[in-house]
Amino acid sequence: AQTVTQSQPEMSVQEAETVTLSCTYDTSESDYYLFWYKQPPSRQMILVIRQEAYKQQNATENRFSVNFQKAAKSFSLKISDSQLGDAAMYFCAYRRGTTRGGSNYKLTFGKGTLLTVNP
Amino acid sequence: DAGVTQSPTHLIKTRGQQVTLRCSPKSGHDTVSWYQQALGQGPQFIFQYYEEEERQRGNFPDRFSGHQFPNYSSELNVNALLLGDSALYLCASSLGGRDTEAFFGQGTRLTVV
Repeated sequence: AQTVTQSQPEMSVQEAETVTLSCTYDTSESDYYLFWYKQPPSRQMILVIRQEAYKQQNATENRFSVNFQKAAKSFSLKISDSQLGDAAMYFCAYRRGTTRGGSNYKLTFGKGTLLTVNP
Repeated sequence: DAGVTQSPTHLIKTRGQQVTLRCSPKSGHDTVSWYQQALGQGPQFIFQYYEEEERQRGNFPDRFSGHQFPNYSSELNVNALLLGDSALYLCASSLGGRDTEAFFGQGTRLTVV
């Protein structure tokens, strides 16, 4: 079974600074996706960034980037120029890349990291 | 595009009762997944519906059941509620297939007393 581990229950960063959130995962699959989701107090999960295991290049979305180390099964999220609106719970998630009778596989989430941004 | 909508937003039920939660997927999506998120935890997969059939199921008892309608909307039913069923229930929709992403609703906060 796939597992996702986030070892930092809480992190804090000063506004405009950079912070890195850690995530490790365990799988025997070679075809999979990794995701970072943000969950603000409004409760809605918002996709921040995703990485396909076959792609060696690290994904980047504006101020958000990942460091994907496939051999080490590590997938960290770097937030640059942190803003007050970045404060939220961040979840790392895994999904197998193959389909199952047409549907895609479930997401497996870590326990999350609560990010606080200090003004 | 309304995105994924869930109803109700909050619900209080008594132990032993039954509850039905509803989800309308994002326009064009045909796959609906349900997750349970206990306080301070990550979401746990309950089950997924595609083409009106349950395609995958997580480690949840048979008290949890669901349905998908021809318009792709879905219901989650929980029978014989336990205090431990108190959680945020999230619905996620996606397009069937490989290269797709899940969009989440705002969830239903269920409190069992």
